[in-house]
Formats: sequence, structure tokens, C-alpha cells
Amino acid sequence: GAGVSQSPRYKVAKRGQDVALRCDPISGHVSLFWYQQALGQGPEFLTYFQNEAQLDKSGLPSDRFFAERPEGSVSTLKIQRTQQEDSAVYLCASSLGTSGGATYEQYFGPGTRLTVT
Amino acid sequence: DAKTTQPTSMDCAEGRAANLPCNHSTISGNEYVYWYRQIHSQGPQYIIHGLKNNETNEMASLIITEDRKSSTLILPHATLRDTAVYYCIVRPYNTDKLIFGTGTRLQVFP
Repeated sequence: GAGVSQSPRYKVAKRGQDVALRCDPISGHVSLFWYQQALGQGPEFLTYFQNEAQLDKSGLPSDRFFAERPEGSVSTLKIQRTQQEDSAVYLCASSLGTSGGATYEQYFGPGTRLTVT
Repeated sequence: DAKTTQPTSMDCAEGRAANLPCNHSTISGNEYVYWYRQIHSQGPQYIIHGLKNNETNEMASLIITEDRKSSTLILPHATLRDTAVYYCIVRPYNTDKLIFGTGTRLQVFP
């Protein structure tokens, strides 16, 4: 079946603009994650949903970042008043959830490369 | 959260085994070790995970020391397509999120 898809793949925004990044997880996956990856660095956790509930948003860098998953499927990461330091690849991942102490593996999308000029 | 230490880069000849080490000396008894890799311009890809016992799947083997303070990912017959950044991750027990470090850049050469 189809994997995790993200759109747009590339986004150029002028500083101060708002952007919305979309993630379509694998059908039936309960958990959905957003990560931010700066150039040359490993991905950094932003936020996590289980169905429509946002269980952890400890990684969101400021209140300009907002994520939602209203029907427990598609998710949107919104960044308001973009700044140059927001330039990064934004990765979305989904998984079947948790079983006992282990979690099912996360399947990642290709990411959205955001460039703020 | 348990921290991992990996070499910055490694080389491996095509067809040979690639052994990627990871230190996680502060790991707790109920924390799992996960390995992901990221090929250039793609999202990370799950490889394998384990708790105490060694694990093997179609992609790789994971060897965890008895004291659990370190582990080794083994790609038995490396190919050029295995060139990637490999991340060793210790997942906290009470969360599903993954905490990536900077990983090991593995270069497989012909």
C-alpha cells in the first residue's frame, strides 16, 4: 500500500508568512509524529498524536508552531510568522502505536523542505 | 533520557560486513534500542530494535552486550545502497517519540 505522503515537498516562504504542511499517514496508523531536521543534523521531535489526541507537544519550539489532526488521520503542521531559523526539513511519521513496552516502527514520509527567505 | 554515542563516520567495502557500534551506558532496564537509517534526501527508515536479546531480520542483526551498555548493528553484506546515516536510538519507556543523535555516516565503496 501507499506510504506516508507529505505535501508540498518544497516550500519557499518570505519571512513573516504563515505556512501549512500536510501529512497523510498510512491508513489505519494510530500514531502520528512530526520531526524537524536542520541541515546536517538528526531529526528532532516536535509533537505526537494518538488518533486525534495530541499527547506530546514538548518539542514545538515556540507558540508559532501548531499541529492538528482533527479526525485522527491527516495532520497539518502550521507555522505562523515564519522566521529564517524555521528553515528545515519537516518530517512526518506514522505507526500502528504501542504494544506492551515496545512501539511499532515509525514509517517516515519524504519530508517537506521549508526555506524561509 | 539515555544518550547514545556513535562514531561520526565509517567506511565499508561492498560485500563485506558493516559493523556499526553504539554506546548507551546510561540505558535503563526497560528501554529499547532502535536503529534507523536515512539515505540522502529521504525520510528515516526503520531497521531493527531490541531489548536484551540479539535480534535478526532480513535487513540486519543487532547484538546487545549483556550489560546493555552498548550494541552493534551488523549489515552482513553491505551494498552501495546501504550508504546512509545510521542512527542508534534509545527509546524512553514512557514515550513513543524517538530522540535522534547525529548518527554514523556509513560510506560503502566498490
